[in-house]
Amino acid sequence: KAGVTQTPRYLIKTRGQQVTLSCSPISGHRSVSWYQQTPGQGLQFLFEYFSETQRNKGNFPGRFSGRQFSNSRSEMNVSTLELGDSALYLCASSPGTISYNEQFFGPGTRLTVL
Amino acid sequence: TQLLEQSPQFLSIQEGENLTVYCNSSSVFSSLQWYRQEPGEGPVLLVTVVTGGEVKKLKRLTFQFGDARKDSSLHITAAQPGDTGLYLCAGVVMYSGGGADGLTFGKGTHLIIQP
Repeated sequence: KAGVTQTPRYLIKTRGQQVTLSCSPISGHRSVSWYQQTPGQGLQFLFEYFSETQRNKGNFPGRFSGRQFSNSRSEMNVSTLELGDSALYLCASSPGTISYNEQFFGPGTRLTVL
Repeated sequence: TQLLEQSPQFLSIQEGENLTVYCNSSSVFSSLQWYRQEPGEGPVLLVTVVTGGEVKKLKRLTFQFGDARKDSSLHITAAQPGDTGLYLCAGVVMYSGGGADGLTFGKGTHLIIQP
C-alpha cells in the first residue's frame, strides 16, 4: 500500500498570502488529521476530518481551515499568512473510526513565510 | 502549559550505552503512544500502551506505562546510530462522555547516538 502523500513538499510564501496544502491518505483510511510542527511548540493538533466532516478542531485561529473530499483526500488552507505560520505541516490518516488509535503520517509540507 | 512533558529534551550518547526518556503529565491518559521521527519525514508509530503498568518490548526498546496512566518511559538498550531521531510521546485524554480531542504530543526528545 502506498503511504500518506502530501503536496507540495516545500513552499515559500510571503506575508498576507494564502496557501493550500494537500493530503492523500492511505487507501481505505477515512480519517485525516492535520498537525503543525514547530521547534518551539512541537506538534500541535489542527483538525481532524472523518467522512467529509470536521470531527475535532485544535486551538488555532480561523485563518486555518480544512476540508475533506468524498475520496478521503484532504486539503488545509491558511489565509493571510503570518511569519509565525512557518512550520512543517503534517497530515496523518487512520484506518478506523477512532483516529487516535493509530495514525500514519505523511512526510509533511515545509512552509516558509517571508 | 504543555500537557505532556518529555525529558530530556536533548540526549547525545555513545553507541552501546543504555538510555531512558520520560513522558510525564498531570492528566490521566486512556492510551499513550510513542513515535520516532527522522529528519525530513513524518513521525512513525512505535508502540501504543493502554493498560496502567503495561510493559511492551520492541527488540532493544522497552516501553512502560505508569500505573496511574499519567506517565510513560522508553528505555533503549545498547543504543545504535540507527536509533538517532526525535522521539515523541502522544496521549489521548478521554472525557467522561467517551469523547476525546485527539492526540496531544509532547515536544519530543532529540536523541543522537554517536558511533
